[in-house]
Amino acid sequence: EVQLVESGGGLVQPGGSLRLSCAASGFTVSSNYMSWVRQAPGKGLEWVSVIYSGGSTYYADSVKGRFTISRDNSKNTLYLQMNSLRAEDTAVYYCASSPLLPGGYFDYWGQGTLVTVSS
Amino acid sequence: DIQMTQSPSSLSASVGDRVTITCQASQDISNYLNWYQQKPGKAPKLLIYDASNLETGVPSRFSGSGSGTDFTFTISSLQPEDIATYYCQQYDNPLFTFGPGTKVDIK
Repeated sequence: EVQLVESGGGLVQPGGSLRLSCAASGFTVSSNYMSWVRQAPGKGLEWVSVIYSGGSTYYADSVKGRFTISRDNSKNTLYLQMNSLRAEDTAVYYCASSPLLPGGYFDYWGQGTLVTVSS
Repeated sequence: DIQMTQSPSSLSASVGDRVTITCQASQDISNYLNWYQQKPGKAPKLLIYDASNLETGVPSRFSGSGSGTDFTFTISSLQPEDIATYYCQQYDNPLFTFGPGTKVDIK
């Protein structure tokens, strides 16, 4: 059974840093495209970042230069390092997987972890 | 970057009604359009991928169509458990974009 479990969320001050983790089971993170998607309170879904099976990484303009996506194949875990956090980064962060197919759809999602940026 | 619009932003319908949501892309995205259902406090759930393919285990009352820039999502007979927000999502390699969502509730 495929499972994604996020952790690492919490309260952080503006300008601070946080690292989110997403532990995967039932499949190999390095064999899929793995993304982070966030949802601010009461708002819609926003794609944040992706790491492709070959290791290429891409980011939404809103987080470029501040967030870094990575993975540890030995731990089968996806990460999101978030630096220079702003109030507008407050959201539930989901990790999601996409199969190696052209359609770019997210077939598995974690339960989400809440990040609150506030003083 | 490709922008996505969805309409309506919300709707109320009766149980058994046919419900239709549209999604428009700012550029041709072929059939790289996917639909998700999200209930409050839960992660999104994939319903339709590649514009018209029903994800395994999803009831057949859900369907999708379209290609290029214009897409449609339909619930053929609305059920109480379908109360949720529905999002379209496009893939323009290597980036992804979600539509703003459509909130569906029971009249």
